[in-house]
Amino acid sequence: NAGVTQTPKFQVLKTGQSMTLQCAQDMNHEYMSWYRQDPGMGLRLIHYSVGAGITDQGEVPNGYNVSRSTTEDFPLRLLSAAPSQTSVYFCASSSSDRKNTEAFFGQGTRLTVV
Amino acid sequence: GNSVTQMEGPVTLSEEAFLTINCTYTATGYPSLFWYVQYPGEGLQLLLKATKADDKGSNKGFEATYRKETTSFHLEKGSVQVSDSAVYFCALFTSGTYKYIFGTGTRLKVLA
Repeated sequence: NAGVTQTPKFQVLKTGQSMTLQCAQDMNHEYMSWYRQDPGMGLRLIHYSVGAGITDQGEVPNGYNVSRSTTEDFPLRLLSAAPSQTSVYFCASSSSDRKNTEAFFGQGTRLTVV
Repeated sequence: GNSVTQMEGPVTLSEEAFLTINCTYTATGYPSLFWYVQYPGEGLQLLLKATKADDKGSNKGFEATYRKETTSFHLEKGSVQVSDSAVYFCALFTSGTYKYIFGTGTRLKVLA
């Protein structure tokens, strides 16, 4: 089982550039989420999805877009990169089964905006 | 809104020492509670979980009990090892919101 796969693992962007962080899961999970991890801040929710075609904003959505056209994929788009978006980004997925709500995380994407 | 508060680190212990990392939460409804662990350069992995009051989650010698009366889910281990050095996150999930809420993480360093 691949679980949750994120690409790329590392990325350096110039201010103003756009890019897409990819996330795919092979567990047929309904829920998928994007978090950013910053020192001393823990994980903050950017966007999440409860199923294909359904997305919603989390705690820190500004500057990011998402879409969910399939159950498996949940890409995160940076529209115009800013230094404040330098962070480690994690994608996670989980089942809608109330008895099994464990979140599975990808390995992360370390993004630096210069 | 829902929130998780966990003790700040870093926590530095000698091998075989007793570990406690405090976690308290605020939530409406009946959340599930989790401890995740993050090793350097990796994503988060589930360490243990509890889905209802008085449940005890346990794994790899770690334990935590869901205490609804004190809204707490403290992580404990009787004898830590160097290999336990990592960042530990307390988290809650409520099915009504479809969201996980994480604490800020506690870095544990175990010295040989």
